[in-house]
Amino acid sequence: DGGITQSPKYLFRKEGQNVTLSCEQNLNHDAMYWYRQDPGQGLRLIYYSQIVNDFQKGDIAEGYSVSREKKESFPLTVTSAQKNPTAFYLCASSISGRAGQETQYFGPGTRLLVL
Amino acid sequence: AQSVTQLDSHVSVSEGTPVLLRCNYSSSYSPSLFWYVQHPNKGLQLLLKYTSAATLVKGINGFEAEFKKSETSFHLTKPSAHMSDAAEYFCVLANQAGTALIFGKGTTLSVSS
Repeated sequence: DGGITQSPKYLFRKEGQNVTLSCEQNLNHDAMYWYRQDPGQGLRLIYYSQIVNDFQKGDIAEGYSVSREKKESFPLTVTSAQKNPTAFYLCASSISGRAGQETQYFGPGTRLLVL
Repeated sequence: AQSVTQLDSHVSVSEGTPVLLRCNYSSSYSPSLFWYVQHPNKGLQLLLKYTSAATLVKGINGFEAEFKKSETSFHLTKPSAHMSDAAEYFCVLANQAGTALIFGKGTTLSVSS
């Protein structure tokens, strides 16, 4: 089955700890995205990547980092600099990154909680 | 500045009655607009999209939306609600560069029997 997988489903972070959220796609899409969802806030873009070894900051990149070493993988690290990390994190992909034309396909999400 | 405003945070309907979820947008360019749906604790799924072709757009599961430039609106409708339509709905605008999406804050649709 083609799709996007995110792991883990739930993740707990201790104060001062960096944690990494996994996102993998087997759709052969060039573009991948990370969004943060807070209650009543909609989705906000953290980072996006339109091609391997290249990525761009979104609206709320502070306290987060990403890498794109492989086409199918786009992991997100929530660093200790992110002071309010509790949220639902969604990964998405699209064929080539033309957001105005293409459908974005979403993974099931990872819920990050702070201990 | 480009933005999307969903006019209702919560809409409640009875099964079999019409659904109307309202969305206004602001952009200085010709917009591409989308509606996505999210069921509880799930990812999002595309319902429909407008990309400057026909102004009445039909989507999945009987939903449709009409692009009205004069009113800067893109309201989502369905003639008859089903229990399985209960979810959160997002109106979405592509940014001017066409590189990213701008999401509204969402409307929660509740359907009662």
